[in-house]
Amino acid sequence: GNSVTQMEGPVTLSEEAFLTINCTYTATGYPSLFWYVQYPGEGLQLLLKATKADDKGSNKGFEATYRKETTSFHLEKGSVQVSDSAVYFCALSYGNNRLAFGKGNQVVVIP
Amino acid sequence: EAGVAQSPRYKIIEKRQSVAFWCNPISGHATLYWYQQILGQGPKLLIQFQNNGVVDDSQLPKDRFSAERLKGVDSTLKIQPAKLEDSAVYLCASSLSDRAYEQYFGPGTRLTVT
Repeated sequence: GNSVTQMEGPVTLSEEAFLTINCTYTATGYPSLFWYVQYPGEGLQLLLKATKADDKGSNKGFEATYRKETTSFHLEKGSVQVSDSAVYFCALSYGNNRLAFGKGNQVVVIP
Repeated sequence: EAGVAQSPRYKIIEKRQSVAFWCNPISGHATLYWYQQILGQGPKLLIQFQNNGVVDDSQLPKDRFSAERLKGVDSTLKIQPAKLEDSAVYLCASSLSDRAYEQYFGPGTRLTVT
C-alpha cells in the first residue's frame, strides 16, 4: 500500500540549532512527496514538495530531497527560530490525487 | 483570498447523539476533502468530492457517517449516531482540480464524544 513513516516523538531544540525530521515512504509507482506544517491554532499548509526522484523542495529555509534509492524525504533546516514551532507532516500522493499523511512530529524551539 | 471556513470550531456531544459539520471551500476550488485526525495521528481521508460528485468514499464509515456537497460549493459532514472513537478533529480541505496535491486546509472542528 501507500504509507508514510515519520520518526517517533516530539523534537525539542534550541533556537539556531539544526533541524532534521526523518520521513520514509512505501508506495506503488512514483508518488510526489510533500511536507505540510500546522502552526498552533491553524490549518495544515503546504510547506514544500518534490515531484520526482532527486528533486529538492525548498521554502522558508526548509529543504527536503526526494531520495528514491532510500525511499526517503527528510526535512532539514539549518537554523531554526521560535516561530518554526509547529507540527510537521510528511505526505505522499497516490491514486486520484489523494494524500497519505504520516503521524506528524511536533517541533518545539526554545529561545 | 478567503481561506477554507469550517464551523463549528468545537463540539461536545454524548454518544449516540448526532452532529453535523460545515465547510465552505476556497472560491473556485472544485475538489473538496474531509479528513479525520485522531490525536497523535496524521489526517485520514474520509471522502473526496469533485464538484458535487463523490470521487472516493472508501474510508467513510457509511453506517454512521454521511457527507454531501449538493451545489458543488459548501459541504456538510454528519455523524449519526456518534461513538466515543469518533472523538477527533475533522478537517476540510479544498484544491484546484489540476493541482490537487496543493490542498488548502481549514482550521478544523474538534469533536469530543462523551
